[in-house]
Amino acid sequence: DTGVSQDPRHKITKRGQNVTFRCDPISEHNRLYWYRQTLGQGPEFLTYFQNEAQLEKSRLLSDRFSAERPKGSFSTLEIQRTEQGDSAMYLCASSLAGSWGYTFGSGTRLTVV
Amino acid sequence: QKEVEQDPGPLSVPEGAIVSLNCTYSNSAFQYFMWYRQYSRKGPELLMYTYSSGNKEDGRFTAQVDKSSKYISLFIRDSQPSDSATYLCARLYGGSQGNLIFGKGTKLSVKP
Repeated sequence: DTGVSQDPRHKITKRGQNVTFRCDPISEHNRLYWYRQTLGQGPEFLTYFQNEAQLEKSRLLSDRFSAERPKGSFSTLEIQRTEQGDSAMYLCASSLAGSWGYTFGSGTRLTVV
Repeated sequence: QKEVEQDPGPLSVPEGAIVSLNCTYSNSAFQYFMWYRQYSRKGPELLMYTYSSGNKEDGRFTAQVDKSSKYISLFIRDSQPSDSATYLCARLYGGSQGNLIFGKGTKLSVKP
């Protein structure tokens, strides 16, 4: 499979728990992005990496959120002390620097109960 | 004010109809615009991108940007039931390639 892979597809967690999502981008893509999408809304930018460097973070990314891309390949997004408002689809995308072709994964749907 | 405004619909058309999907944007500082299609429970997939004004055609799809009115349009000719999806317009934020600003999306249903 040469697409963007996200794991898990669904996650149900209790409020206050920590969760971690993983994204495996297309192997030759050096840029990786995280977006969040709630029902009836378009995706909202959270952060992006070029190789292992985190170059930009949205103000949406509170200090309970942390993203890493330690070796410039896969990335993880961790949410600490989850809140009900964190319930959303978390989308990962990748691209080559200089191209417009972002490829999105199918997302991880988080439900905080 | 959101930077990209899009009517969420839903929009329902019969098979074979011409579909017109529209967005408006507020900041003319950057000129790259994209249209994404998102099927239920899937991530968005890039349909087309355009730079500045004018038309761009790809098969049954035509993207149009009108800088003077800050209007972005996507036309679908000979619409098919498989076109039923949510269509998202997006613009690139500033000079960064890491930050797309999306509209809310328009949900389209094409009835056979």
